[in-house]
Amino acid sequence: EVQVVESGGGLVQPGGSLRLSCAASEFTVGTNNMTWVRQAPGKGLEWLSVIYSGGGTKYADSVQGRFTISRDTSKNTVSLQMNSLRADDTALYYCARVSPSRSDSWSYYVDCWGQGTLVTVSS
Amino acid sequence: QTVVTQEPSFSVSPGGTVTLTCGLSSGSVSTNSCPSWYRLTPGQTPRTLIYNTNSRSPGVPDRFSGSILGNKAALTITGAQADDESEYYCMLYLGKGISMFGGGTKLTVL
Repeated sequence: EVQVVESGGGLVQPGGSLRLSCAASEFTVGTNNMTWVRQAPGKGLEWLSVIYSGGGTKYADSVQGRFTISRDTSKNTVSLQMNSLRADDTALYYCARVSPSRSDSWSYYVDCWGQGTLVTVSS
Repeated sequence: QTVVTQEPSFSVSPGGTVTLTCGLSSGSVSTNSCPSWYRLTPGQTPRTLIYNTNSRSPGVPDRFSGSILGNKAALTITGAQADDESEYYCMLYLGKGISMFGGGTKLTVL
């Protein structure tokens, strides 16, 4: 079964760092596009970052310069390195596989969601 | 700053039809925005309903359909059922690899 499983969430102090990991099953992260999405308590979904199969990456303005998406094809995992964390980064973080919406653009949609991992930023 | 807009809440009667919309604070939504729709129910993994404007994800009943209505993307649910009560989110592709979710619509079936 195609699935992704997140890990690495937890409690971290403001200004601290955390690294989330996402393990993929039944598909290879190296030939797929992957994304991270979060949902803060009482808020909606927020798209954060994408890594394309070719290695290119993009970020939402809210995390640009603080978060870094990467992948390890030998472990078939995708990671999200989060630095300079703030209280408003507290959220449930989802890893997801995205597939191209159209062959003629870089657009994509989520076709496989993880269960999420909770990150709490608090002193 | 671009914002993706959705109705905060909507209600529909059982068996009724409801259309949720997804717009842009500046500009129009077109098929180039490749709108996709997701359902988020507390305690469950998000579910993908519609992608590329009007393509249904595997296993999604044909009661759910996507379209462009005027300058917005739309998700129409026909024959609403009690278990359709949930939060619905659209996602638009803004270009250059960037996507954005709307604020979500809380749908009540009563």
